[in-house]
Amino acid sequence: QVRLKESGPRLVQPSQTLSVTCTVSGFSVTSYHVSWVRQPPGKGLEWVGAIWKGGSTDYNSALKSRLSISRDTSKNQVFLKMNSLQTDDTGTYYCAKHSEGYVMDAWGQGASVTVSS
Amino acid sequence: QITLTQQAESLWISPGERVSITCRASQSLLYTDGKHYLSWYQQRPGQTTKALIYHASVRTDGVPTRFIGSGSGTEFTLSIEHVQPEDFAIYYCLQTLKSPYTFGAGTKLELK
Repeated sequence: QVRLKESGPRLVQPSQTLSVTCTVSGFSVTSYHVSWVRQPPGKGLEWVGAIWKGGSTDYNSALKSRLSISRDTSKNQVFLKMNSLQTDDTGTYYCAKHSEGYVMDAWGQGASVTVSS
Repeated sequence: QITLTQQAESLWISPGERVSITCRASQSLLYTDGKHYLSWYQQRPGQTTKALIYHASVRTDGVPTRFIGSGSGTEFTLSIEHVQPEDFAIYYCLQTLKSPYTFGAGTKLELK
């Protein structure tokens, strides 16, 4: 059974760095692409970036300067790091597995993050 | 970047009715392989986000046949026939033709 689970801090101070981990099961991160998507409270979805199955990455150009996505293939984990956080980075951060057509066919429950002092 | 416009922020319908949600792209989502890189998602409170349709019209595994994706080029529609109580949710379109991938703003189906 395919599962993705995000974990990370619930509260981060402004200007600090957010680190979220996506632990997957039921598939290998070396066989499927994984994206990060975020959602501010009460708002829509925004694609943050992806790590392709070959290990290369692609980032939303609006966030690129603050982002890093990496993985640990031995643990089947994908990592999101975003620095210089501001209050408008508050929201839920999801990881999602890609399948044919680059559809995001499986999502995690999300990690809720609040940026506040 | 490609902009996806979902004109309707909300749609009010009664169970059993048919509803159509539209998504317009700022440029064609047709790739050289002949496929459209447009997918549809459902968000319900307390549930993980669910992929319904990919390549504009292909249902993902286990999605009921009442969900129908159609369209081409820049105009796409998600139709739900005989809406069920569990279908009241928010629906998003997503393009994965070009980076950055972009979502529509979402359309909320509400009970009339």
